[in-house]
Amino acid sequence: QVQLVESGGGVVQPGRSLRLSCAASGFTFSSYAMHWVRQAPGKGLEWVALISYDGSKKYYADSVKGRFTISRDNSKNTLSLQMNSLRAEDTALYYCARAPPFGNAAFDIWGQGTMVTVSS
Amino acid sequence: SYVLTQPPSVSVAPGQTARITCEGNNIGSESVHWYQQKPGQAPVLVVSDDSDRPSGIPERFSGSNSGNTATLTISRVEAGDEADYYCQVWDPSSDHWVFGGGTKLTVL
Repeated sequence: QVQLVESGGGVVQPGRSLRLSCAASGFTFSSYAMHWVRQAPGKGLEWVALISYDGSKKYYADSVKGRFTISRDNSKNTLSLQMNSLRAEDTALYYCARAPPFGNAAFDIWGQGTMVTVSS
Repeated sequence: SYVLTQPPSVSVAPGQTARITCEGNNIGSESVHWYQQKPGQAPVLVVSDDSDRPSGIPERFSGSNSGNTATLTISRVEAGDEADYYCQVWDPSSDHWVFGGGTKLTVL
């Protein structure tokens, strides 16, 4: 079945780095745009980053631009988020989500999320 | 940046109709998506492109969008509809996706 599984979360000190991964299965990964969305404890959803189906276009929320890098490996059906210079306010549950590659398509499949805690 | 405003909470009795609003400047010219998130679970898409229902979503869920307000309507509300609901749009002026702050639906 169609599935997204995130991994790589954990506890990290401020200023350090962490790399999240999202393994896709059950669909043609290379045909879909992919997103990272995060949710701080007890808070709402915040879009983090978008990568086009072929990796040629990338967009970031202002809160992470210059610190986070989204990438994908279509040969391995994997999405990644490299997070550098982490801050306490980056503490959140990070979801990956897919979207059809046309216009402003909705996020139709979500993973269960991986938790990132930034704390000294 | 574009801002979407939702009421923090909406309460409704079982069997009644719940309406959750999402306000934004000229939002009627954008495509609005709605997500349902139950406690401890990932969000689920319930309405896309203002009023389309994905496969598997009950007909009780519907959406509309005009002017400065988009609305998610849940008819014949059931206890299982209790959740947080988020609206979402793409802001082409900033190349950013934007979520509303979320609305907690309570079934009395």
